[in-house]
Amino acid sequence: KAGVTQTPRYLIKTRGQQVTLSCSPISGHRSVSWYQQTPGQGLQFLFEYFSETQRNKGNFPGRFSGRQFSNSRSEMNVSTLELGDSALYLCASSVQETQYFGPGTRLLVL
Amino acid sequence: SQQGEEDPQALSIQEGENATMNCSYKTSINNLQWYRQNSGRGLVHLILIRSNEREKHSGRLRVTLDTSKKSSSLLITASRAADTASYFCATAVGDYKLSFGAGTTVTVRA
Repeated sequence: KAGVTQTPRYLIKTRGQQVTLSCSPISGHRSVSWYQQTPGQGLQFLFEYFSETQRNKGNFPGRFSGRQFSNSRSEMNVSTLELGDSALYLCASSVQETQYFGPGTRLLVL
Repeated sequence: SQQGEEDPQALSIQEGENATMNCSYKTSINNLQWYRQNSGRGLVHLILIRSNEREKHSGRLRVTLDTSKKSSSLLITASRAADTASYFCATAVGDYKLSFGAGTTVTVRA
């Protein structure tokens, strides 16, 4: 099976812009989770979707949002970008407890 | 906030030696998982141990879990250069939401 794919892999944006990141899970996986990784805060849980419904949410401001489509593909959106949003954004899909991660999207906000 | 804390933060060993890293967590868990990350890429799942298990093996990996002390350890035996990476423990309290520690950076010297 193909692994989790994320697009784009790299992205440069400026403050105030918005960005949309995409994640395609492993075929058959209906749960998709998103994480933010920064040197200062480490890996932090953003949210998790299952069958197009958000089931879990981390402690991030409302500027961070996501959605899941009927084919389980997921997108996350960050509006009004801030410098502190520069990070590696990781998507993971799962069918039971184990999460399988994609390569991540590295976002740089200037 | 992070649930798990790894110790040590960094570890440098000679090829062929064993590497041991520890993880402590704060609240009751369903399971604890260990992941590896190479150079800021996606995370690779190594092993999952459930709260009712005490020890688990996978190839050169051995994981222990002590729920009374809220701690886990990961042992990599006969280390190789390819084991150079950051290792993270992650705890699952509810379904599909992982809380990661800050990680242990392991360097294996040839």
